[in-house]
Amino acid sequence: DQQVKQNSPSLSVQEGRISILNCDYTNSMFDYFLWYKKYPAEGPTFLISISSIKDKNEDGRFTVFLNKSAKHLSLHIVPSQPGDSAVYFCAASRAGNTGKLIFGQGTTLQVKP
Amino acid sequence: EPEVTQTPSHQVTQMGQEVILRCVPISNHLYFYWYRQILGQKVEFLVSFYNNEISEKSEIFDDQFSVERPDGSNFTLKIRSTKLEDSAMYFCAGRRDPGNTIYFGEGSWLTVV
Repeated sequence: DQQVKQNSPSLSVQEGRISILNCDYTNSMFDYFLWYKKYPAEGPTFLISISSIKDKNEDGRFTVFLNKSAKHLSLHIVPSQPGDSAVYFCAASRAGNTGKLIFGQGTTLQVKP
Repeated sequence: EPEVTQTPSHQVTQMGQEVILRCVPISNHLYFYWYRQILGQKVEFLVSFYNNEISEKSEIFDDQFSVERPDGSNFTLKIRSTKLEDSAMYFCAGRRDPGNTIYFGEGSWLTVV
């Protein structure tokens, strides 16, 4: 079941630069999207979300963009910091559902000092 | 302060033994979930629980698994007869109502030997 895909398993950026993590989905019924950050042996930590009625949501250094026609979302982190190094998961859900999340495979971000 | 706390953090059990994983969501969560992540794989939905009953379960959640919230506080996942392939990180999660964001616990690492 590959309804949510993160095609880049890893990404390396220099401190201070922009990190762009991408996510694609196939189910047009998804209407709520979330990004989680995860360290090894810890639970996913919620970062930012976006509803399908919006195309952009910003929270500090984190911005999520949603392109519904392309079924694509991205997470921008600017400026990137070494502490941002972690695995980033995008997830999607449907309204009126149980709210269960379908996760992508994750992208490992490494921010080099 | 985490929204969801889980115990134990790590458990090693012999194949065929019963395991109970426990979770304490914060009081304003109304929806509860269990997810798991096998090492190197994506986070997978197991089950959702609302109003003291299962609202949705995945194909993974077979008869070996059960959930309950007996005292209105602890939310438990029981695996009756563990198999080697049950080895994974199990995450409890909760969601407020209204709200679309799901908050995860730190995880319980289960190793079946």
